[in-house]
Amino acid sequence: KNEVEQSPQNLTAQEGEFITINCSYSVGISALHWLQQHPGGGIVSLFMLSSGKKKHGRLIATINIQEKHSSLHITASHPRDSAVYICAAPNSGNTPLVFGKGTRLSVIA
Amino acid sequence: DGGITQSPKYLFRKEGQNVTLSCEQNLNHDAMYWYRQDPGQGLRLIYYSQIVNDFQKGDIAEGYSVSREKKESFPLTVTSAQKNPTAFYLCASRRDTEAFFGQGTRLTVV
Repeated sequence: KNEVEQSPQNLTAQEGEFITINCSYSVGISALHWLQQHPGGGIVSLFMLSSGKKKHGRLIATINIQEKHSSLHITASHPRDSAVYICAAPNSGNTPLVFGKGTRLSVIA
Repeated sequence: DGGITQSPKYLFRKEGQNVTLSCEQNLNHDAMYWYRQDPGQGLRLIYYSQIVNDFQKGDIAEGYSVSREKKESFPLTVTSAQKNPTAFYLCASRRDTEAFFGQGTRLTVV
């Protein structure tokens, strides 16, 4: 079974700071997902990564398949970025996604 | 546009009542999943289905039931046997690397 670990668990940043959230997994995968969950809100899919890097606005996600590691970066962080960020990886095929426990980000103005 | 629809977003029920959470997808995905999230914890797998008329228990299936009569639909019933039903419930679907997620249903049992 894939073990998905995220770090840090909690992160507090000042507005404008560059933020990095890390995700590592134990079993080789075909793709990894990054999700965002605002307090009391639903889940929003941010990225699906098979290799390399993807960028959407101030969010950048990278993945190193050989090292079984992915990072989510937020540039010029803003209080509205405050949320829980979750990574998820499958075992194989259509087997269930395994989710990390999430990183709770608070960005202070 | 294709996607997953979970309804309702918020649900309140009295203790001892069964409640069914809806999950519909129009993505033609074979696999569908239900997860539960408790405050401060990660998402845990309740049930999943990889094909119509077939489903498997996940890590925390006790007190829940599902059906998969149609490819598009995978409803979850929270039964009165579930000791602590108050939680956030997430439905997802997959085909190979592509995965979509519902908005979630926040169930509160009073």
